Amino acid sequence: KNQVEQSPQSLIILEGKNCTLQCNYTVSPFSNLRWYKQDTGRGPVSLTIMTFSENTKSNGRYTATLDADTKQSSLHITASQLSDSASYICVVSDIYNTDKLIFGTGTRLQVFP
Amino acid sequence: DTEVTQTPKHLVMGMTNKKSLKCEQHMGHRAMYWYKQKAKKPPELMFVYSYEKLSINESVPSRFSPECPNSSLLNLHLHALQPEDSALYLCASSQDATGNSPLHFGNGTRLTVT
Repeated sequence: KNQVEQSPQSLIILEGKNCTLQCNYTVSPFSNLRWYKQDTGRGPVSLTIMTFSENTKSNGRYTATLDADTKQSSLHITASQLSDSASYICVVSDIYNTDKLIFGTGTRLQVFP
Repeated sequence: DTEVTQTPKHLVMGMTNKKSLKCEQHMGHRAMYWYKQKAKKPPELMFVYSYEKLSINESVPSRFSPECPNSSLLNLHLHALQPEDSALYLCASSQDATGNSPLHFGNGTRLTVT
């Protein structure tokens, strides 16, 4: 069964610190992996999208990595800001069902001053 | 603000009411989606429209009826809903339905069924 698991479920860090969120998936055959940020009560916003051949992709202070061999991805946030407080969702698609994205349950990040 | 606009932002309706949720995008995207999201859960796919044709219906109850009048608009007609249908309803669009382009989500309609 295609699954996407994220860890930790929740994370609290101080402003200015770095953090790394993890995503493991069993989706096969793999098409692409995305990271979304969702603020409370708002729609998810795309951060990165990576295909099989990409190992890393950055978007400002967000850097995503992908290891397609071990089926793992991480999202690294550098120099966190209060506005980074949100849920971060890992989303994977397979080649045969590209419209049916498989969502992880997310990591809830809280950044405190 | 997002480039996908959803109205209304909030909706309270009784179980006998008929209401509609609206979604609009002007990015020239040819795929549009409805998702349902319960609190602290990931979004669940309901419907996909590709080039204005319904391509995916994830076994959604008939009390939810989607409509795509043109490439920029997507509606979700609601009738005889149940309290458990209360959720955040998210509309999204993408350049196409190949799955290789990012989804652009609206900020959703918060629906409460009483």
